[in-house]
Amino acid sequence: DAKTTQPNSMESNEEEPVHLPCNHSTISGTDYIHWYRQLPSQGPEYVIHGLTSNVNNRMASLAIAEDRKSSTLILHRATLRDAAVYYCILRDEETSYDKVIFGPGTSLSVIP
Amino acid sequence: KAGVTQTPRYLIKTRGQQVTLSCSPISGHRSVSWYQQTPGQGLQFLFEYFSETQRNKGNFPGRFSGRQFSNSRSEMNVSTLELGDSALYLCASSLAAGEGYEQYFGPGTRLTVT
Repeated sequence: DAKTTQPNSMESNEEEPVHLPCNHSTISGTDYIHWYRQLPSQGPEYVIHGLTSNVNNRMASLAIAEDRKSSTLILHRATLRDAAVYYCILRDEETSYDKVIFGPGTSLSVIP
Repeated sequence: KAGVTQTPRYLIKTRGQQVTLSCSPISGHRSVSWYQQTPGQGLQFLFEYFSETQRNKGNFPGRFSGRQFSNSRSEMNVSTLELGDSALYLCASSLAAGEGYEQYFGPGTRLTVT
């Protein structure tokens, strides 16, 4: 199964951009890159997903490397509410979530 | 639109007892998945239901079971509870299964086994 690796923790100042990296060197051609985040005492929350092209939504942007072996979640202006654990996962559109591996994620701290 | 709801939010049980957790998906969502989250193992997939059928099951013992009703609501049951079953149990719903739709998670049920 394809796996992802992320830094254990990162820090950012409030109102500054944050770039959260994810490596997925064994990604297959049909794997989508999904990002979720989990705020303290809450269930995970969908953030964004993409296949090959960069993606933007109201929460964040996803930059995918040309070879697709890495990607970066970009929070344009970090707020205190963005302090959470961020998970980068791979999912093939043809398979269900039993094949999805949630690693330890990146714990993001936002400094006021 | 209301989000995924899970009941109860907190539960304390003793070893050997059984427990039933409930999940109501977002209206219109037909797929429900369950996860167990512990500090040591992280998020682990339990099972996935779609249209009242179990589509996939994770690597958990038979003491863990679930079902889905015609209104897409789902329940999971854990029999003969063990101390190691203490965890946050999360339910997630999506429009369909295996279609690339994102999952929406509930707040979870915190189960403590003493």
